[in-house]
Amino acid sequence: AQKVTQAQTEISVVEKEDVTLDCVYETRDTTYYLFWYKQPPSGELVFLIRRNSFDEQNEISGRYSWNFQKSTSSFNFTITASQVVDSAVYFCALSEARRGGGNKLTFGTGTQLKVEL
Amino acid sequence: EAQVTQNPRYLITVTGKKLTVTCSQNMNHEYMSWYRQDPGLGLRQIYYSMNVEVTDKGDVPEGYKVSRKEKRNFPLILESPSPNQTSLYFCASSLLPQGNYNEQFFGPGTRLTVL
Repeated sequence: AQKVTQAQTEISVVEKEDVTLDCVYETRDTTYYLFWYKQPPSGELVFLIRRNSFDEQNEISGRYSWNFQKSTSSFNFTITASQVVDSAVYFCALSEARRGGGNKLTFGTGTQLKVEL
Repeated sequence: EAQVTQNPRYLITVTGKKLTVTCSQNMNHEYMSWYRQDPGLGLRQIYYSMNVEVTDKGDVPEGYKVSRKEKRNFPLILESPSPNQTSLYFCASSLLPQGNYNEQFFGPGTRLTVL
């Protein structure tokens, strides 16, 4: 069975600090997808990024960057120069094929990020 | 606007009183699913549906029912709610997954409290 581990339950930083959120996954599939979602205090889930298992290129989007390393089964998320608006719960998720068709999205337990002035 | 809608957004009820949380999507997606989110547990899948009249259990289906009579709607039914079903519920939809690809679009969430 697949598993996603986000060992950091809560992280507090001061504004403008860089912060990295860790995500480690387990899967037997050779083809899979990894995701990051943001959940602000309002509660909705905001899609941030999707990465497939064949693409290990790091990605940068503004202050956000993602480091995917298959060798360590990790898909870490870094926020550069954090801002108060980055305060949220961040979820890492893994998609795997399901026997009989369809697939399944498995979420980590989330990391609560608090950015303070 | 492409979206997944859920109603109600907030609900406080009492043990044993049947309730339904509706979910509707306007993207013609075949695949729909329900998740519950609990502190320290992340999101866990309750039920999913690959198309009309095709539903199956996820990881935590006990105490829940679903139906898929129309492509756009996927209601979640709690026949006899209990306090341990107090949670934040999300509905999601996507095109029928191709291989492992599954970008799901999530609804805004329904916060349910069972007293």
